[in-house]
Amino acid sequence: GAGVSQSPSNKVTEKGKDVELRCDPISGHTALYWYRQSLGQGLEFLIYFQGNSAPDKSGLPSDRFSAERTGGSVSTLTIQRTQQEDSAVYLCASSLHQGWSTGELFFGEGSRLTVL
Amino acid sequence: QQPVQSPQAVILREGEDAVINCSSSKALYSVHWYRQKHGEAPVFLMILLKGGEQKGHDKISASFNEKKQQSSLYLTASQLSYSGTYFCGLTGANNLFFGTGTRLTVIP
Repeated sequence: GAGVSQSPSNKVTEKGKDVELRCDPISGHTALYWYRQSLGQGLEFLIYFQGNSAPDKSGLPSDRFSAERTGGSVSTLTIQRTQQEDSAVYLCASSLHQGWSTGELFFGEGSRLTVL
Repeated sequence: QQPVQSPQAVILREGEDAVINCSSSKALYSVHWYRQKHGEAPVFLMILLKGGEQKGHDKISASFNEKKQQSSLYLTASQLSYSGTYFCGLTGANNLFFGTGTRLTVIP
């Protein structure tokens, strides 16, 4: 597709269940980012993938959160044993350029997660 | 590490000007500015690099002062389409941290 694609667009789950959120970046973009946006809040960094380098996981809030990127393309963010405080919009972005200082980020429309 | 944006919210009439400020306590490499309309993805406006750079995008411009570790976004002669939440993103050595956003509302 032309842009960053995320699925599902909406997910409602029960507390304690696991969820998987998918991101399909723009073709050819080597960098991929996950951010979390809670209601009325800013964009909280979660994880960053750059090419074949080890991902920067410094933003993951707990060990219940993990992410992988297969074949340098599609990424999956997994949240295990979901809690109500995990409710948020999870945004994925990709960038053509390497490094933070040079490339604009193209964001997907997000996956809205609601934990009951 | 999160940048501080001010003001948190502002309401303008069409044609008025506004300034949004973004600052950090950490050393900065560059500044990103994005705009997010309600229910939509954030959209890139501009990146400013070191050297006191200034840039313009239509009637939206920005400056970056790396010594003061701050950036400002200037919206001139605001239009209804400018409404949205504006985020600055500040890059350090290995990351990009976004501020909490400034909600801008332009009314007729």
